[in-house]
Amino acid sequence: GAGVSQTPSNKVTEKGKYVELRCDPISGHTALYWYRQSLGQGPEFLIYFQGTGAADDSGLPNDRFFAVRPEGSVSTLKIQRTERGDSAVYLCASSFTGQSQETQYFGPGTRLLVL
Amino acid sequence: GNSVTQMEGPVTLSEEAFLTINCTYTATGYPSLFWYVQYPGEGLQLLLKATKADDKGSNKGFEATYRKETTSFHLEKGSVQVSDSAVYFCALSDHGYGNKLVFGAGTILRVKS
Repeated sequence: GAGVSQTPSNKVTEKGKYVELRCDPISGHTALYWYRQSLGQGPEFLIYFQGTGAADDSGLPNDRFFAVRPEGSVSTLKIQRTERGDSAVYLCASSFTGQSQETQYFGPGTRLLVL
Repeated sequence: GNSVTQMEGPVTLSEEAFLTINCTYTATGYPSLFWYVQYPGEGLQLLLKATKADDKGSNKGFEATYRKETTSFHLEKGSVQVSDSAVYFCALSDHGYGNKLVFGAGTILRVKS
């Protein structure tokens, strides 16, 4: 079956611009996660959705970042007034119910470069 | 807070050598432990996992045992292949802390023929 997909695969933008990153999880997975991976580092948690609601947004670095999942499937991560420090690979993952022992399945990521 | 520490790389081995990548964790709850692998040009994928103390996860010749007494989850393989060259990430998920994964920094493995 289809895995987690993310679009675009690469995004180049200028400092101060607004960007949207999209994640399409595995069908039927109620839990969806966003992570950010900087070069040479492990992924860092940003936000977790259970259905349509954000169950944990403690990893969002500041109020320029927010994410939505209006119908409990596709999610969009939105970054306002981008800064060069936002450059990273943004990863999306999904799991069946969101329990801690479940495998999270990752998408290929969106590589964001802010010039 | 919860954290994962894994050995720094890169680790360079010859084909058929024995591999160990150390991973230790700090958690206040009862975490599940994971090893994820990222092959060149590919996304993160689960290699193996263990959900309670003394469990052993295994896959593709790799194995790791959940040791609560030493808070460790070391990855081992008896005979590595060139195709095992990748970045390996140790991670935990603690049900008391939102189910998110907390990752180590990753260990680059290079296997030479």
